[in-house]
Amino acid sequence: DIQMTQSPSSLSAFVGDRLTITCRASQSISRYLNWYQQKPGEAPKLLIYGASSLQTGVPSRFSGSGSGTDFSLTISSLQPEDFATYYCQQTYGIPLTFGQGTKVEIK
Amino acid sequence: QVQLVESGGGVVQPGGSLRLSCAASGFSFSSYGMHWVRQAPGKGLEWVALIRYDGIDKYYGDSVKGRFSISRDNSKNTVYLQMNTLRAEDTAVYYCAKEPRWQQTVNWFDPWGQGTLVTVSS
Repeated sequence: DIQMTQSPSSLSAFVGDRLTITCRASQSISRYLNWYQQKPGEAPKLLIYGASSLQTGVPSRFSGSGSGTDFSLTISSLQPEDFATYYCQQTYGIPLTFGQGTKVEIK
Repeated sequence: QVQLVESGGGVVQPGGSLRLSCAASGFSFSSYGMHWVRQAPGKGLEWVALIRYDGIDKYYGDSVKGRFSISRDNSKNTVYLQMNTLRAEDTAVYYCAKEPRWQQTVNWFDPWGQGTLVTVSS
């Protein structure tokens, strides 16, 4: 199985900060990597697919990059509604696997 | 507008069985693959199962293989998850989620339902 490791596991940031979350795969997954946002009590929401394609309706302050084993999700200017937990997910192989999540909290 | 509504969750004893349903609306159900993904309380996301749009191919996560079975009824726009030999570690919110592309399997999830809670406890 492909293991996905996110870092950090949690972080605190101010509104307006630029932040980057990283995701590392245990083997090369090309660009088969997606990002989701989950707010407390809600279902996850797709943000980015194919490593860097922004899902329709997702604000342009979100961006994704990377290929192979190393990927990142960047929020260019953190907004109050962005405080949530973020998950990466690989679609290179079955079983599909997620990172453990990165919780973004208000500083 | 796409809607996915899960039902069937509840409390079940270890070793018991439960069947979850996910009723879909707002899209051509028979042309899209469907997934189940779960989340244990306070934990991360775990993919459970996939059924392709045609119902022919099915795939499972390692922890549920041989115990869970995914199926679909395209006449009822519903996908099911039959869960047998349940264990305490199966306690989770179970979400159904839709494949995003018509008659293709890309293995990402958009959108998700609101989830149904399954608790395995004596």
